[in-house]
Amino acid sequence: GESVGLHLPTLSVQEGDNSIINCAYSNSASDYFIWYKQESGKGPQFIIDIRSNMDKRQGQRVTVLLNKTVKHLSLQIAATQPGDSAVYFCAENLYSSASKIIFGSGTRLSIRP
Amino acid sequence: NAGVTQTPKFQVLKTGQSMTLQCAQDMNHEYMSWYRQDPGMGLRLIHYSVGAGITDQGEVPNGYNVSRSTTEDFPLRLLSAAPSQTSVYFCASRPGRNNSPLHFGNGTRLTVT
Repeated sequence: GESVGLHLPTLSVQEGDNSIINCAYSNSASDYFIWYKQESGKGPQFIIDIRSNMDKRQGQRVTVLLNKTVKHLSLQIAATQPGDSAVYFCAENLYSSASKIIFGSGTRLSIRP
Repeated sequence: NAGVTQTPKFQVLKTGQSMTLQCAQDMNHEYMSWYRQDPGMGLRLIHYSVGAGITDQGEVPNGYNVSRSTTEDFPLRLLSAAPSQTSVYFCASRPGRNNSPLHFGNGTRLTVT
């Protein structure tokens, strides 16, 4: 399953399939990007990050891809599990104002058994 | 190591009342920030601080005051609560260096009637 940026706020994926969550960022000066997972009633939890001098970074079952040409960021989750159900946010660090991390509106991921 | 601790978890105010949302971190992080999260939306930056004695405005600062007298604490004050301030408030911190992720508390759910 695949979502496109912030215009499709929900993504439903079959358990065991791979999930792809996309994010379009607007500021070409952003130099650092982060993905967060937020479960109901909790604060956002760090998943993975990537600096602007990289185009791919892998973690455990997750991969972040960065395409600076089109200002696009994606989060890939391999073998999606019920515990992956949450809202996922991308965030960007604005280089021009290094102390500001700005968040997107998020994508809700739901897992079908 | 408790991370970022927010109190209270829930609060109901009447219009015009004042209160302080507390945030404390025990990771010796220089940078602290406050976000608000409204239903179906991402997190919006209210105020932030890059160190003790230094604060600055974020995206939505109106109606909120902050101070940073110690590295550990970053309280958020509502001087005269309004229904538009009904939201979930998150405090977050990170080391002073750029390109590091924020660590979040579990939030304060505020309702203003």
